[in-house]
Order: sequence, then C-alpha cells, then structure tokens
Amino acid sequence: EPEVTQTPSHQVTQMGQEVILRCVPISNHLYFYWYRQILGQKVEFLVSFYNNEISEKSEIFDDQFSVERPDGSNFTLKIRSTKLEDSAMYFCASTRGHTDTQYFGPGTRLTVL
Amino acid sequence: AQKITQTQPGMFVQEKEAVTLDCTYDTSDPSYGLFWYKQPSSGEMIFLIYQGSYDQQNATEGRYSLNFQKARKSANLVISASQLGDSAMYFCAMREGSGGSARQLTFGSGTQLTVLP
Repeated sequence: EPEVTQTPSHQVTQMGQEVILRCVPISNHLYFYWYRQILGQKVEFLVSFYNNEISEKSEIFDDQFSVERPDGSNFTLKIRSTKLEDSAMYFCASTRGHTDTQYFGPGTRLTVL
Repeated sequence: AQKITQTQPGMFVQEKEAVTLDCTYDTSDPSYGLFWYKQPSSGEMIFLIYQGSYDQQNATEGRYSLNFQKARKSANLVISASQLGDSAMYFCAMREGSGGSARQLTFGSGTQLTVLP
C-alpha cells in the first residue's frame, strides 16, 4: 500500500542552523501539508501546498519557514535559522483531493540544541 | 473557543472490552469532515476513520465506529473488543469547508488509551 515517507527520522541541529526536512508524498496525491507536534502537545497545522504554491499557512509559518516541491516527488520544509522552540516532530501529509483523508508520514523528530 | 475538544486526557480499558473516546467540535460551516487518528508510542499518525457532515450513517471501519451526533456536535470513537495493541494516543480532527484550496486539519489535544491485560 502506498505511503508517505519522510527523511530523516531524527535530526539534531544547533540553534541558528538551517534544516531541510524531506517528504515523499503518495504518488498520485496533489495536496501536501506540513504539521508539527511539540512533545506532549497537540498536532498543529503549518502549511498546505497545491499546484506549486502555498494554499494556506498558519501563524506559526513565519518567514523562517519555506516549502518547496523541487521535483515531481519530493516536498520539503526548510527552516532557515532554527530556534530552540522549533524542536518538535514534523509531519508531512498528502491527499488526492482537497477534502480527502490526509495520510501522514512517520514524522521527523527535530531537536534544536 | 476550541474547535476540537477531547475531555479525557487518559482512559483505561480492559482487554476485550469496548471503549468510547469523546470528541466534541465547534464549527459554523455546514460542510466539514471529522477524523480520528491513532498515534502509538513510535510516533506515527495512523488514520482510523472518517465521518462527513452530510453522511447519514455512522462510519464504521472494522473494530472502529464513530458515534456521530450532529445536533450535539459530537463525534465519539468507539473501539470494540480492545486489544493490547490499541494502547496509544488518539486524536480527533476536523476539516472545515469543502471548496477552494487545500483544507487543513484542526486537532484536539488527544486521549491516551491504555488497554489492560
């Protein structure tokens, strides 16, 4: 069964460094999402992406964040200058239609030191 | 106001018993979808079940069913015949609207379910 994949599973970085989190959505899906979950808290929406542009973004998704679909398969989240409070699990999700079920990847645990 | 409320931070159930996890929601949009996800200790988010606002019947998927009470704005998850592997965090989520751009999910705070042998 097709699934969303994410790499790396765990990333440790120093504060102020740039990180890129990678996702490969399900192949026939058209809508892509990033969410984050700070340890012990609820899952929060960051951004959605369709047709090579951002559809919606939350207040969390400030100028430090960017997303890109560099080729036909990858979907990336870049954090330009990481802060301690960016430490969280980051989930990528995808759907075929914009109201369909969102299928999540296994997540990338980001630790900022 | 919270859009999704899960009032049970933790629940215990005996193996083979049924358990109900509560979820209430708040929206003024007539078109919405309600989802339940399971998050085991390994961290991944596993889709369990979906209920659309216009669906006439309660959704069922194997041992999972959704008790959808639209007037009360509740969408409780019922797990029948609990298994040890059901021990996990369970999140209720809502997608509002049906048209336009990609629709985000809004999540509740989750319920930690522990199945006792």
